Amino acid sequence: SQTIHQWPATLVQPVGSPLSLECTVEGTSNPNLYWYRQAAGRGLQLLFYSVGIGQISSEVPQNLSASRPQDRQFILSSKKLLLSDSGFYLCALNRGSSYEQYFGPGTRLTVT
Amino acid sequence: GDSVTQMEGPVTLSEEAFLTINCTYTATGYPSLFWYVQYPGEGLQLLLKATKADDKGSNKGFEATYRKETTSFHLEKGSVQVSDSAVYFCALRLYNQGGKLIFGQGTELSVKP
Repeated sequence: SQTIHQWPATLVQPVGSPLSLECTVEGTSNPNLYWYRQAAGRGLQLLFYSVGIGQISSEVPQNLSASRPQDRQFILSSKKLLLSDSGFYLCALNRGSSYEQYFGPGTRLTVT
Repeated sequence: GDSVTQMEGPVTLSEEAFLTINCTYTATGYPSLFWYVQYPGEGLQLLLKATKADDKGSNKGFEATYRKETTSFHLEKGSVQVSDSAVYFCALRLYNQGGKLIFGQGTELSVKP
């Protein structure tokens, strides 16, 4: 079965510091991968998605970026964090004939 | 544009009460519809889905029927339990858009014993 790992689970970073969040998947090949952010008390916002190595689509202009250096690895980065970047970051992959998405455990980021 | 609207929360119910969480959507195409659940401190889990009109998705006592005529996908459960306390998200997926989902804002459910 497919498994999504996210690292780290929690992170506290000062404003202006860099960020790197990692998502790795097991048990599948060539998945579509997604990064979502859930701000406190709000719904999910799609940030990036990738249909293959090196292929990134950005949904929302922001100071974040994403990369997919390997088929099963999806990285979310920032050069300088803002307070508004705080939130719960979820990695997801799609599987199944109706493209339902499956989510990782998430990374809780607090920018101070 | 494509969007999903859910009823505002939080919703507070007593154990064994009947639950309805309303969800309506706007889509240019013919979407698949989903309900996800998020327990405190966790990621999202797929609860149920429906891929065409009049389909009924069901899981763990929850049900939702894809109503194309009213563009709705309301979530129901006949008798809620304390363990159902969570945030529930309605979502749609359109074909040919990379498989991405569009989510509603979520509805928090709190079930009291």
